[in-house]
Amino acid sequence: GAVVSQHPSWVICKSGTSVKIECRSLDFQATTMFWYRQFPKQSLMLMATSNEGSKATYEQGVEKDKFLINHASLTLSTLTVTSAHPEDSSFYICSASTGMEADTQYFGPGTRLTVL
Amino acid sequence: QKEVEQDPGPLSVPEGAIVSLNCTYSNSAFQYFMWYRQYSRKGPELLMYTYSSGNKEDGRFTAQVDKSSKYISLFIRDSQPSDSATYLCASKGTSYGKLTFGQGTILTVHP
Repeated sequence: GAVVSQHPSWVICKSGTSVKIECRSLDFQATTMFWYRQFPKQSLMLMATSNEGSKATYEQGVEKDKFLINHASLTLSTLTVTSAHPEDSSFYICSASTGMEADTQYFGPGTRLTVL
Repeated sequence: QKEVEQDPGPLSVPEGAIVSLNCTYSNSAFQYFMWYRQYSRKGPELLMYTYSSGNKEDGRFTAQVDKSSKYISLFIRDSQPSDSATYLCASKGTSYGKLTFGQGTILTVHP
């Protein structure tokens, strides 16, 4: 149980284009979804928290116009990196919380974004 | 000072060894403590969580929290090469709060 999927797992795009990453909770309804960014050999940095049907809450320093988050249903959240640049290249990971057992977060497998 | 500090290692042990992974934290409001395992190029996998102080055991894994010293530990008994991964500790103050992660410790268990 508590499986989270992400799609795509790996994407390469040209500078200036937009990329959408999907995060789905497969066997549970997620009250909250989180988006993280991870650089090589570094820990996870929380970008934003989203609840179904409401606007995402972004962490300080994260550009909300650049990283658009949509949480359309209790099982789907999307992150769109708009006008991507090489410095946006990173490993993006989503997590979903069940609302039970200390609201434990379960993580997706991650999406590796490379911007050329 | 980071709210959760973790020695990044790397830590290398022989198969069968007992592994001790540790974190310290500075925020007295933290009540929930998690350990995640992350394989290379994968998302973190929840191993265990503990509420407040105490011990919790699950198979070969034991998590300990000492709130008086703000110290979090994960012990792995009879370590296996498949345990080779990055181990991340994480904490939060409330059930629905956001997680604060340590830097992660890279563990290698060699045959």
